[in-house]
Amino acid sequence: KAGVTQTPRYLIKTRGQQVTLSCSPISGHRSVSWYQQTPGQGLQFLFEYFSETQRNKGNFPGRFSGRQFSNSRSEMNVSTLELGDSALYLCASSRSGQLNTEAFFGQGTRLTVV
Amino acid sequence: DQQVKQNSPSLSVQEGRISILNCDYTNSMFDYFLWYKKYPAEGPTFLISISSIKDKNEDGRFTVFLNKSAKHLSLHIVPSQPGDSAVYFCAACASGGSYIPTFGRGTSLIVHP
Repeated sequence: KAGVTQTPRYLIKTRGQQVTLSCSPISGHRSVSWYQQTPGQGLQFLFEYFSETQRNKGNFPGRFSGRQFSNSRSEMNVSTLELGDSALYLCASSRSGQLNTEAFFGQGTRLTVV
Repeated sequence: DQQVKQNSPSLSVQEGRISILNCDYTNSMFDYFLWYKKYPAEGPTFLISISSIKDKNEDGRFTVFLNKSAKHLSLHIVPSQPGDSAVYFCAACASGGSYIPTFGRGTSLIVHP
């Protein structure tokens, strides 16, 4: 079966612009989580959506937002981009997002802000 | 405040020898732990997990040990292979919480032929 698909793979934006990233989860998976990975910082949790509702939120400013559609596809948006937003953005899907439920990651979107 | 710490940014091991990757956590609510492996230009892939009711879980060449009193876990890879060269992330969850794993910063493992 198809894995988690993230588009685009690479993106270059200018400070102050906004960006939208897309994630298509594995078929049947209803939980989608977003992470930011920067060098030396590991994976920092942004938010998680389940059945079109934001169920959990990490400690990121309001410039970072997301949504999930009825087909479980998810988008995240970053407004007023800053240089520090340059990172690999990873999406992970799982059936329920519950404990012991393995999460599958996409290849990520590499965002560069110049 | 880092709740999951991987204090070794990198580790170099000879092929065939044992690789030991360490992870410490501070939140006593964590009761489920996972290891992920990440190759460059790919997303992390799940490797092995352990519940706090166990102190060891084994899957082929990979074994995870959990020491709850020390709030420490380790991943052992025996024997190490060049294909194991990747970044390994430790993650922890609290079953009484949101189930969202908290990740460490990762350890880059290089296995030399």
